[in-house]
Amino acid sequence: GQNIDQPTEMTATEGAIVQINCTYQTSGFNGLFWYQQHAGEAPTFLSYNVLDGLEEKGRFSSFLSRSKGYSYLLLKELQMKDSASYLCAVTPGDQGGKLIFGQGTELSVKP
Amino acid sequence: EPEVTQTPSHQVTQMGQEVILRCVPISNHLYFYWYRQILGQKVEFLVSFYNNEISEKSEIFDDQFSVERPDGSNFTLKIRSTKLEDSAMYFCASRRGTRQYFGPGTRLTVL
Repeated sequence: GQNIDQPTEMTATEGAIVQINCTYQTSGFNGLFWYQQHAGEAPTFLSYNVLDGLEEKGRFSSFLSRSKGYSYLLLKELQMKDSASYLCAVTPGDQGGKLIFGQGTELSVKP
Repeated sequence: EPEVTQTPSHQVTQMGQEVILRCVPISNHLYFYWYRQILGQKVEFLVSFYNNEISEKSEIFDDQFSVERPDGSNFTLKIRSTKLEDSAMYFCASRRGTRQYFGPGTRLTVL
């Protein structure tokens, strides 16, 4: 089966750092994505990891450990506009390249 | 940045009616997808399309659903006889390389 787990919700303070974890069990693995989704809008791409290690992009970093089936998204210098749902998604590596999504983590940034 | 577009943004229909949701993928992309997201739930894969044929479909994508690429630009999802449980946000996505680009979505409400 395919299973992707992430916390349902998190709260953090403006200016702080927050880490959103994701664990996955899928029939295959060809990469892990993080997307941001504001309410009523489309998911927007944040990061992609296919090899173990940390990928940094501005205030956002994403880490992958394939042996542990684990990833995290790190958001630094939080801003109010970072309040959104953060979606962890895996592409299992079949020909079509579909994405399997987790439930999403609703992040609330407080002043 | 190039965008995926979708029309309409909101569709209201009566149960049992047919609906067609339209998408214009990014012009040089080769892989096309439909996903749905029921309110408050995770994004779910419906179907992937490549080289003018379906490459994979999920259990959700039953005989009531069909997809078509009628010309070089449009990609449509048809639901033949809508049910109440088809009410959801439907996202189209396209890709050429690794990253999937999502359209803004069509909110389908079945009454």
